[in-house]
Amino acid sequence: EVQLVESGGGVVQPGGSLRLSCAASGFTFDDFAMHWVRQAPGKGLEWVSLINGGGISKSYADSLRGRFTVSRDNSKNSLFLQMNNLRPEDSALYYCAKDRLRYASGTSPESWGQGTLVTVSS
Amino acid sequence: AIQMTQSPSSLSASVGARVTITCRPSEAVGNAVAWYQQKPNSAPKLLIYTATTLQSGVPSRFSGSSSGRDFTLTISSLHPDDFATYYCLHDYSFPFTFGQGTKLEI
Repeated sequence: EVQLVESGGGVVQPGGSLRLSCAASGFTFDDFAMHWVRQAPGKGLEWVSLINGGGISKSYADSLRGRFTVSRDNSKNSLFLQMNNLRPEDSALYYCAKDRLRYASGTSPESWGQGTLVTVSS
Repeated sequence: AIQMTQSPSSLSASVGARVTITCRPSEAVGNAVAWYQQKPNSAPKLLIYTATTLQSGVPSRFSGSSSGRDFTLTISSLHPDDFATYYCLHDYSFPFTFGQGTKLEI
């Protein structure tokens, strides 16, 4: 059974940084691209980032303007999201999700964690 | 970035009704559209991918279709468990984008 467990969320001041983690189990981690998707309180889903299985190819939402960096450690079955220069509008529940297809460069997210909450506030 | 315009934003219907939700991308996306269901305080659940393919384990009352540039999610006969928020997503090119969501209420 696929399991994705996010951690690292919390309260941070504007301009601060956070590093989110996602621990994966139940599948061959490095065979699959991984996504980050966020959801502000009471709002819709926003796709944030994707990293391919090998960790080389990365993509981001236009709105992030280089402030976020996705990475992965396949030896530890872990996905990360480094978030810098945080703004109040980055406050959201951050989900990690496994891609639908093995060996693909990125398709629809299939399996999701329960999310970790990030609050940016002074 | 490709924008996904989803309609309606909310929808009231009764158990047993047939409902449709539509997404229109701002440019062509082939068949690279997926549909998700999200219930309060839960992660999204994949229902449909590549516009028309039903995800394993999803009831057959859910279906996806396309006509021209429009993509549609249809629930043929609403069950009480179907009242939720639905989102479309394109995975045609980066960055992927979601529609704004449709809240389906009784």
